[in-house]
Amino acid sequence: DIVMTQAPLSLPVTPGEPASISCRSSQSLLHSSGYNFLDWYLQKPGQSPQLLIYLGSSRASGVPDRFSGSGSGTDFTLKISRVEAEDVGVYYCMQALQAPITFGQGTRLEIK
Amino acid sequence: EVQLVESGGGLVPPGGSLTLSCAASGFTLSNYWLYWVRQSPGKGLEWVAYFKGDGSSTKFADSVKGRFTFSRGNARNILYLQMNNLRAEDTAMYYCARDGPAIMVDFDFWGRGTLVTVSS
Repeated sequence: DIVMTQAPLSLPVTPGEPASISCRSSQSLLHSSGYNFLDWYLQKPGQSPQLLIYLGSSRASGVPDRFSGSGSGTDFTLKISRVEAEDVGVYYCMQALQAPITFGQGTRLEIK
Repeated sequence: EVQLVESGGGLVPPGGSLTLSCAASGFTLSNYWLYWVRQSPGKGLEWVAYFKGDGSSTKFADSVKGRFTFSRGNARNILYLQMNNLRAEDTAMYYCARDGPAIMVDFDFWGRGTLVTVSS
């Protein structure tokens, strides 16, 4: 199975400041199509996860443009340009290149 | 509006059985893949199984293979997950999620989940 490793596991951020989460995979997630098969999800407190980013860098419908995804191969990053209070929750990366689908451990973003 | 609604969770003793339902609305289930993803209390996310909407393909995680199966209801927009020989480690919130139209698997819609507790 592909192992997904996120860092940091906890991320305190001041509102208005940027934030960055790293996700590394044990194998390359670059598909023959040229796309990286990596998603980012946010699970807000008491809610189910919601899709933020797919194919490594494409924003899902309705996701604010302060969220961006980058990276290729085994190293990926989710960036929030200016954190808002509503961004609190646990962020997960997920690989879908190889079965079984696997998730990172999650990064808990909290407001300072 | 796309909606997924799970139901059927509850408390069951080890070795018992439970059937979860995922009711889909706002889209044609046969045109999509549906996934079950679970989350143990305080833990991360784990893929459990998938079902191709037309019923031609299913797959289960090794941890549940041979114990979990799928079925479709008479109402074609409902998917059932039959869970047998349940173990304590199956205790989790179970989410039904739709695989979106992109080239890769991406869960564009999720249900609110149904809680399964396996305990004597």
